[in-house]
Order: sequence, then structure tokens, then C-alpha cells
Amino acid sequence: ETGVTQTPRHLVMGMTNKKSLKCEQHLGHNAMYWYKQSAKKPLELMFVYSLEERVENNSVPSRFSPECPNSSHLFLHLHTLQPEDSALYLCASSQGVGTENTEAFFGQGTRLTVV
Amino acid sequence: RKEVEQDPGPFNVPEGATVAFNCTYSNSASQSFFWYRQDCRKEPKLLMSVYSSGNEDGRFTAQLNRASQYISLLIRDSKLSDSATYLCVVMEGKSTFGDGTTLTVKP
Repeated sequence: ETGVTQTPRHLVMGMTNKKSLKCEQHLGHNAMYWYKQSAKKPLELMFVYSLEERVENNSVPSRFSPECPNSSHLFLHLHTLQPEDSALYLCASSQGVGTENTEAFFGQGTRLTVV
Repeated sequence: RKEVEQDPGPFNVPEGATVAFNCTYSNSASQSFFWYRQDCRKEPKLLMSVYSSGNEDGRFTAQLNRASQYISLLIRDSKLSDSATYLCVVMEGKSTFGDGTTLTVKP
């Protein structure tokens, strides 16, 4: 159903582990986003990529490292996370960062638990 | 002040009620406006775009007031399945989400 696919859907990792979240969009969009949503809290924008270039980094700790190898794929590399990083991580894409009337489409998210 | 502000609620209404949500935004250069719906532990999904002339989709009506910089969502004849968090989204170069308004429709 969704044009934005995230894997894995669930991830449990220790604080010393390194893992990566993957996002793939099949919509031909040029912009991709990472959001974090902690339990019962609003969405927090983490990173914005437009045409594979990072255009926004909202003061995210360096233990989160995004990578956008092409306009269809977005990764979030995780290392030495803290328990408070446990959250739902959502990827989204849109036609373009500066394009009018371009709504964002979300993947189903990765539910991350840091133990 | 937040760029996009919504009343967090919660709004608890009986089935069949009419409920309205407002959302204000601070950037007068904002170009596009949307309402999203987010069910518990799920991703946000687009509910409807908001046009300057106002638009309606079944029981849902969205309106934009550029002069006062707010958008609204009206839900008529509420159903139990309307229970969710409703997110206001404003775009000017990038999407800015409001914190959401939680609606619970009760039998």
C-alpha cells in the first residue's frame, strides 16, 4: 500500500551496538526525511535531504548518522545509543523541499528499543 | 513561539457530534497546508489538503484563513473510527508539523 518502505519494522539493540535503519521510496520524490516520535509525543524532525544533499540537521546527536546514497534510499546509522533514544523512527518523502503543494508520505516506521 | 500551534486536546465527543480543530502558523510565506491523521503507534497519513477556497471531503471540511494565519478542520457526524490524533502541516520549503490534536469519539 505504501510507496515508502522502512526496514526493519522493529529493532532491539544494546547501547554498544551499531545498526542501520533503511528507507526506500518508490514515488520518484526528491526529498526524504527522518523523524523521531517518542511515546505519546509529537513528531520531531531530525534530518532533511533534498536531491541527496542534507539540507537540514535539527541538532541531532552525532550518534545518529544519516546517509542518502541516491534519491530513493535513506539510511540512519545508529551507534552507542541511549535508552532515551527508544522511539518510533519515521521516514518520509515528498516531491521536493521547495515545491508547492507537495505533501509528505510516510513509511510505517521502525520501532526502536535501546536496552 | 512554535511555528505551528495546535490545541493538544484531548477532545472527547459522543458519536454524531461535530468537532472542529484549529491550527495557527507563524510564517506568512507558507505555501501549502495539510491535515494528517495518526492512529496510535502508526505512521501519519494524509487526510486532506487545504485550499484557499476551502474544501470538503465527505464529513470533513478544511478551511484556510491566510489573513489570520490559521487553518481549520471540521468533522461532522463523528464516528468511533475518527478517534485519532490530527496533525496540522504547514509547508514553506519544508513541512512543519503541529504537535497534533487528540480526538476520542465515544459511543
